[in-house]
Amino acid sequence: NAGVTQTPKFQVLKTGQSMTLQCAQDMNHNSMYWYRQDPGMGLRLIYYSASEGTTDKGEVPNGYNVSRLNKREFSLRLESAAPSQTSVYFCASRGQLNQPQHFGDGTRLSIL
Amino acid sequence: KQEVTQIPAALSVPEGENLVLNCSFTDSAIYNLQWFRQDPGKGLTSLLLIQSSQREQTSGRLNASLDKSSGRSTLYIAASQPGDSATYLCAVPSSNTGKLIFGQGTTLQVKP
Repeated sequence: NAGVTQTPKFQVLKTGQSMTLQCAQDMNHNSMYWYRQDPGMGLRLIYYSASEGTTDKGEVPNGYNVSRLNKREFSLRLESAAPSQTSVYFCASRGQLNQPQHFGDGTRLSIL
Repeated sequence: KQEVTQIPAALSVPEGENLVLNCSFTDSAIYNLQWFRQDPGKGLTSLLLIQSSQREQTSGRLNASLDKSSGRSTLYIAASQPGDSATYLCAVPSSNTGKLIFGQGTTLQVKP
């Protein structure tokens, strides 16, 4: 009963390094999302994918890229990490619009 | 633009009390409303999804109500327990992207 799985759970990077956050869902959902959660800012959408092969920008896309590799997987890449990207990153997925959105456990990312 | 507000921001009650958390939204044209629980340092756990056509949804000691016309939802927690201590978030999906628009949350502390 995995649901949405995110890896890694924790990561520390140096400024300028790159990394990819992985997300996979096993619920056959079409839509997938990447959010970041920051104190006092709530959850903000970075990118989303309405279906396999499509991706769109959310509210805060700068500094990030995404890939919808297949229906199951949606990855988030930081090409050149900056301290402002220190955050908790959540991946989510959903079937139809009238169905609940399911979240992964998050990736806690610190950039020094 | 849809905005979601939760009042109060924080709440502290003695164990055993019944309590109500409030959520309001500015645009009544919603598909549904979802309540989440988030423990410190953890991910978001979906508690209840209430469809726009529903007035109430129940799960154990939790009851969510929805009044679309007034733009309000309430989460009722019966016989609160220390294990209920967490941050509770409500969210509605955007009609075009499906992204969730979150309130800032209510942090609940239930004292033994």
